[in-house]
Amino acid sequence: EDKVVQSPLSLVVHEGDTVTLNCSYEVTNFRSLLWYKQEKKAPTFLFMLTSSGIEKKSGRLSSILDKKELFSILNITATQTGDSAVYLCAVHTSGTYKYIFGTGTRLKVLA
Amino acid sequence: GAVVSQHPSWVICKSGTSVKIECRSLDFQATTMFWYRQFPKQSLMLMATSNEGSKATYEQGVEKDKFLINHASLTLSTLTVTSAHPEDSSFYICSASPTPAADTQYFGPGTRLTVL
Repeated sequence: EDKVVQSPLSLVVHEGDTVTLNCSYEVTNFRSLLWYKQEKKAPTFLFMLTSSGIEKKSGRLSSILDKKELFSILNITATQTGDSAVYLCAVHTSGTYKYIFGTGTRLKVLA
Repeated sequence: GAVVSQHPSWVICKSGTSVKIECRSLDFQATTMFWYRQFPKQSLMLMATSNEGSKATYEQGVEKDKFLINHASLTLSTLTVTSAHPEDSSFYICSASPTPAADTQYFGPGTRLTVL
């Protein structure tokens, strides 16, 4: 059975800290891995990763994929209170072309 | 670009009634639409995948007769929760992709359903 697991489930940090969120997966027919940020409503897209070892960056956020060890990390440096959200990892599979979401990591950044 | 709308954004209904939720892609044609369900403090659970003009593919454990999905055009998919019960109360989110293989899905804002 395909599955995506994220850790930690929740995290509380102070502003300015750096956090690393983990996503591991076991799926057949891997196509891509995506990271999303969810605040109050629907998730918003952060990154899509398809190749190992190539870091994607956007401001203070970055992410990388390891297709050999079947995991990805999302780093957030110099965290701000606005980073408080649930971060979701999803794997897009080929064949059935569906997205399998992980459990999510709930991040709270304290001022 | 790539805007997806959902209507209604929230709905309260009595037990036993049916509720229809619409998902529209406003500025692109969506061959594929996904319907997700999210319980409080939990992740998104895929309910079904629908391709325009075809029957929806439901995930294991999702009742086809209870959650009716119609994707009759390239810009509209509907989810009807039939004979709703309190345990159907949840946040329902749709997403749309231009093609089944597209590595991008655009999310609607979600519909919060409360069944009394």
